[in-house]
Amino acid sequence: NAGVTQTPKFQVLKTGQSMTLQCAQDMNHEYMSWYRQDPGMGLRLIHYSVGAGITDQGEVPNGYNVSRSTTEDFPLRLLSAAPSQTSVYFCASTSQGADGYTFGSGTRLTVV
Amino acid sequence: GENVEQHPSTLSVQEGDSAVIKCTYSDSASNYFPWYKQELGKRPQLIIDIRSNVGEKKDQRIAVTLNKTAKHFSLHITETQPEDSAVYFCAASDNNNDMRFGAGTRLTVKP
Repeated sequence: NAGVTQTPKFQVLKTGQSMTLQCAQDMNHEYMSWYRQDPGMGLRLIHYSVGAGITDQGEVPNGYNVSRSTTEDFPLRLLSAAPSQTSVYFCASTSQGADGYTFGSGTRLTVV
Repeated sequence: GENVEQHPSTLSVQEGDSAVIKCTYSDSASNYFPWYKQELGKRPQLIIDIRSNVGEKKDQRIAVTLNKTAKHFSLHITETQPEDSAVYFCAASDNNNDMRFGAGTRLTVKP
């Protein structure tokens, strides 16, 4: 099993550009989430999904969209990148009753 | 939504000493409380967790305690070693949905 795979690992965007961060898991987990990590602020939940076709907002959803068309994939879209979205983004997945989330290796995004 | 507060933000101990990190949560519906360790440049890794039907759980040098009435839980690391140096995060959720994290504690273990 590859676990949770995130691409790309690094990305530099110009303000106003759009892009999609990819996340895929091969563990048949029903729950998937996106977090951003900023210094001193821990991991903040952007969006999460409890199954294919179902998504919901976390604590910092503005400026981001998600979709969950399959169990395996949960892409995160930045519609119009802003410098405030410079961060490290982690995708994570788990299943009901499992021991916590499995995290991907992260995407370091810089918006200039 | 759930709000998790974590203290202290930094903690420095001598090798061999114990370290304690404390978290509080706001949502009484939360029933799952994991702890993650994150080394520099790496992803968070689960080190121990506890569910609301248990008051304490141990795994070798690591233990977690939960006080549901007071809505707080703590991580205890005994006989600390330099390789325990990392950032530790607590989290809380209701059945693995909508998991919220504390701001993290940077633990430094001095040899």
